[in-house]
Amino acid sequence: SYVLTQPPSVSLAPGKTARITCEGNNIGSKSVHWYQQKPGQAPVVIIYYDTDRPSGIPERFSGSNSGNTATLTISRVEAGDEADYYCQVWDSSIDHRGIFGGGTKLTVL
Amino acid sequence: EVQLVESGGGLVKPGGSLRLSCAASGFTFSIYNMNWVRQAPGKGLEWVSSITASSSYIYYADSLKGRFTISRDDAKNSLFLQMNSLTAEDTAVYYCARADYTSGSYFNVWGQGTLVTVSS
Repeated sequence: SYVLTQPPSVSLAPGKTARITCEGNNIGSKSVHWYQQKPGQAPVVIIYYDTDRPSGIPERFSGSNSGNTATLTISRVEAGDEADYYCQVWDSSIDHRGIFGGGTKLTVL
Repeated sequence: EVQLVESGGGLVKPGGSLRLSCAASGFTFSIYNMNWVRQAPGKGLEWVSSITASSSYIYYADSLKGRFTISRDDAKNSLFLQMNSLTAEDTAVYYCARADYTSGSYFNVWGQGTLVTVSS
């Protein structure tokens, strides 16, 4: 089955740029979606179709996808960005299923 | 306001059954693919099941081994998950999630979740 691999944690100071990776075999051929989940809350989609941003999501959040790696970039990180971030694809290669990465805990120092 | 509200969670003994419900409002429920996603305590998100509009296609995670059944009632704007032969590994918050209309490949509306605890 298809596997998405994320780093368990990323830590950085406010104002810096965070890059959270999501690795998968030829993931560049798939559409990648990213979710933000804060403690005690449901996930919220922040990037869809690799690079698109829903209304209300700051431009500081951006995405890219190529080869075997998709990346969520958060510019000028703020304390309020501290959360868990998940990448997700819909795999239709053999059967249809949703697949999530293991999640990355972003800590703002 | 677009909203999903789950219910039906609770404490159940191993081997028991539970039926979760998700009430949708604020959008035309019948035209959207709907999903269940779960999250074990302190763990990541796990996709559980999907049902397309008109119940044309249904998909399940391999890990469920045929124990769960997803269904919908478009007349009542409701999504369901029947869970049988529950084990401790099924303990999780279960989220109802609406898929995007265009491709059905991501989840753009989520409920607040309902907690299922499997314990003796």
